[in-house]
Amino acid sequence: DAKTTQPNSMESNEEEPVHLPCNHSTISGTDYIHWYRQLPSQGPEYVIHGLTSNVNNRMASLAIAEDRKSSTLILHRATLRDAAVYYCILRDWPGGSQGNLIFGKGTKLSVKP
Amino acid sequence: NAGVMQNPRHLVRRRGQEARLRCSPVKGHSHVYWYRQLPEEGLKFMVYLQKENIIDESGMPKERFSAEFPKEGPSILRIQQVVRGDSAAYFCASSPGPGTGQPQHFGDGTRLSIL
Repeated sequence: DAKTTQPNSMESNEEEPVHLPCNHSTISGTDYIHWYRQLPSQGPEYVIHGLTSNVNNRMASLAIAEDRKSSTLILHRATLRDAAVYYCILRDWPGGSQGNLIFGKGTKLSVKP
Repeated sequence: NAGVMQNPRHLVRRRGQEARLRCSPVKGHSHVYWYRQLPEEGLKFMVYLQKENIIDESGMPKERFSAEFPKEGPSILRIQQVVRGDSAAYFCASSPGPGTGQPQHFGDGTRLSIL
């Protein structure tokens, strides 16, 4: 799986949008971009994933650059419950590693009331 | 639908004892993954199993660690003769298939403490 680069930490105010960046300059054409988050004392939680087009779901939006060398996870309205470590992970399709996720250090998001 | 269930949530063992960690995947999921998170570190992959088969154990320490996912019952991660360095949070995840577009569903982990 290709390497990703994320800021170590970010801060946000409650009820404001949050943009979490991820650089993946060595991404291959078959790599999916996945985002997970880990709340304190819990297991990781799937957030969203995409290949080329921007994606939206009930939790967040994923904006993918046209050259796919970077992406941004967007939380439209941060809540205190969104304070977590956010991981950007590339997964090769259809081959590559057999399915395990390779976690980096992620971005620790703090949300201020 | 119940999510991934791991038990026990907390496990305390003395050095030299055995630790058994259990993971019941989401109903209908036949793929299970184990990860370990050492204090203040990220999650590291250990092993990937399908029913009755180990698919990838490249992240598993060569000695003392074993994993199984029998036809019936939960997946088990077994650590023999535990040492202080085994103290960590162990997470299990499941997915319905191996495709990399399939999200993995994680349990809340077992926190293993070695005295």
